Amino acid sequence: KAGVTQTPRYLIKTRGQQVTLSCSPISGHRSVSWYQQTPGQGLQFLFEYFSETQRNKGNFPGRFSGRQFSNSRSEMNVSTLELGDSALYLCASRTGTGPYNEQFFGPGTRLTVL
Amino acid sequence: GQSLEQPSEVTAVEGAIVQINCTYQTSGFYGLSWYQQHDGGAPTFLSYNALDGLEETGRFSSFLSRSDSYGYLLLQELQMKDSASYFCAGNAGNMLTFGGGTRLMVKP
Repeated sequence: KAGVTQTPRYLIKTRGQQVTLSCSPISGHRSVSWYQQTPGQGLQFLFEYFSETQRNKGNFPGRFSGRQFSNSRSEMNVSTLELGDSALYLCASRTGTGPYNEQFFGPGTRLTVL
Repeated sequence: GQSLEQPSEVTAVEGAIVQINCTYQTSGFYGLSWYQQHDGGAPTFLSYNALDGLEETGRFSSFLSRSDSYGYLLLQELQMKDSASYFCAGNAGNMLTFGGGTRLMVKP
């Protein structure tokens, strides 16, 4: 079974631009979560989608948004990029039932904002 | 809200045993997970404790005490490939919060 895939793997943008990142979960997984990882703040939860609905949202500004499609693929969008948005963005999928017992992470998208 | 505290760095020698502690403050807590992340790689799931006690998976064991808001990951027979960052993660309110991570360095 293929793992979680994320595209693109690397991205360079400038301040003020917007960016869209894509995540394809493991086949059969209906829950997709997004995380931001930085050296200073660690792994921080952005949001979780399940069956095309946002189920939870972390403490991030409204510039961060996401969506999930009927095939469970998910995208996250960051508008008006700031230097501090430079990070590794990780997507994780799970079957979606029960507590967070096991999530499967993708390789991440490394975003650099200049 | 939640917060999970773990040591930032631990060093041990090959073949030894190391314990990585995690203390948490949270409400509505469901369980504690552990993830391993090698440099440049994605976090991978190691274990999950929903109940108090010890869970063993090969060389790795994880422990949870809800009354003490405390858990640990125990790595036995350390190998060089175990050098990585280890994160505890608390599940509360259907949201996962990660600790700051512990960088484990295994020396020959």
